[in-house]
Amino acid sequence: AQKVTQAQTEISVVEKEDVTLDCVYETRDTTYYLFWYKQPPSGELVFLIRRNSFDEQNEISGRYSWNFQKSTSSFNFTITASQVVDSAVYFCALSEPDQTGANNLFFGTGTRLTVIP
Amino acid sequence: DTAVSQTPKYLVTQMGNDKSIKCEQNLGHDTMYWYKQDSKKFLKIMFSYNNKELIINETVPNRFSPKSPDKAHLNLHINSLELGDSAVYFCASSQGAYGINTGELFFGEGSRLTVL
Repeated sequence: AQKVTQAQTEISVVEKEDVTLDCVYETRDTTYYLFWYKQPPSGELVFLIRRNSFDEQNEISGRYSWNFQKSTSSFNFTITASQVVDSAVYFCALSEPDQTGANNLFFGTGTRLTVIP
Repeated sequence: DTAVSQTPKYLVTQMGNDKSIKCEQNLGHDTMYWYKQDSKKFLKIMFSYNNKELIINETVPNRFSPKSPDKAHLNLHINSLELGDSAVYFCASSQGAYGINTGELFFGEGSRLTVL
């Protein structure tokens, strides 16, 4: 079963529009971490945010904001006033640390965001 | 200094060849990983090592063999390369069980392997 679902495969918005990328996760662990990574056309994985399962506070960082809701197992990502440089593939990921401390990261299938100038 | 570095960044080779990708981390982390990103951008874990010991070995063909000479290095050897091995391979590291484990993985820049 897919642990992380990003139902939106591709999204296109016009510059300055707001856009929300959806992420739904599935886990039986009480301790887990959620992440968002950005992969621009250059290919590297850029860390955006980490949330642990005990911290449901929403977070805002500049034009980025994240809405973590355990009741719906969702961790959605909103970009406000999108810019062309936001065009990338965005991955949501779930980590379930095991007893060795290894953090096996399960990635969603990614959402390709295209911001049209 | 790059935290997690992989070499080479690009690798083009013929079917049947054997190749290696090297990974080094200077973060003092206990755990290292190899992830594969296929042509559809799907990222999936292949291996995980904690202090040079294999922890996670997903359903990866035996042609793939990770080797960890010390906890700062995790190299990936691939024998008898096939067309389907073409992908981007990402190395990563994390703190592990000892020290403060934030759950975060630190990724290298990726190594794009093309098998012709």
